[in-house]
Amino acid sequence: EPEVTQTPSHQVTQMGQEVILRCVPISNHLYFYWYRQILGQKVEFLVSFYNNEISEKSEIFDDQFSVERPDGSNFTLKIRSTKLEDSAMYFCASRFQGRTDTQYFGPGTRLTVL
Amino acid sequence: AQKVTQAQTEISVVEKEDVTLDCVYETRDTTYYLFWYKQPPSGELVFLIRRNSFDEQNEISGRYSWNFQKSTSSFNFTITASQVVDSAVYFCALSEVKTSGSRLTFGEGTQLTVNP
Repeated sequence: EPEVTQTPSHQVTQMGQEVILRCVPISNHLYFYWYRQILGQKVEFLVSFYNNEISEKSEIFDDQFSVERPDGSNFTLKIRSTKLEDSAMYFCASRFQGRTDTQYFGPGTRLTVL
Repeated sequence: AQKVTQAQTEISVVEKEDVTLDCVYETRDTTYYLFWYKQPPSGELVFLIRRNSFDEQNEISGRYSWNFQKSTSSFNFTITASQVVDSAVYFCALSEVKTSGSRLTFGEGTQLTVNP
């Protein structure tokens, strides 16, 4: 069964460093998402991406964040200058098409900012 | 703005007991989707069920069942004859269809512990 994959599973970085989280969505899916979950809290929407552009973003997704689909398979989230409060689990999700389809999530990348 | 409330932070049951997880939502839209996701200790988010706002028919799938009541804006989830492997955090989520991205809004989650 096709699944969303994410790398790395755990990333440790120093405050102020740039990190890139990678995702490979399900191959025929057209809509891509990033969510984050601070430890012990709920899952929060960051951004959605369709047709090579951002379709929606939350107030969390400020200028230090960016997303990109550099090729036909990868979908990346870049955090330009990490802060301690960026420590969280980051989930990538994808869905096939249409606003009513289910979003399927990857296993997540745990980001630890020291 | 849309909102999902899961009032039960933690539930602890003994194996084979039935357990119901509550979910109440708020939305101004007439068309929306509701979801339940399971997050086991390993951390991934596993899709369980999706319901649209026009389909109030309740569903049973094995030991799982869902009760959607639009009149009370509730979408509750019941596990019958719970098992230790059901121990996880369960999230209820809402998606409004009108937004271009169809973001999911999650509740705070309910930590279910099933003891042997």
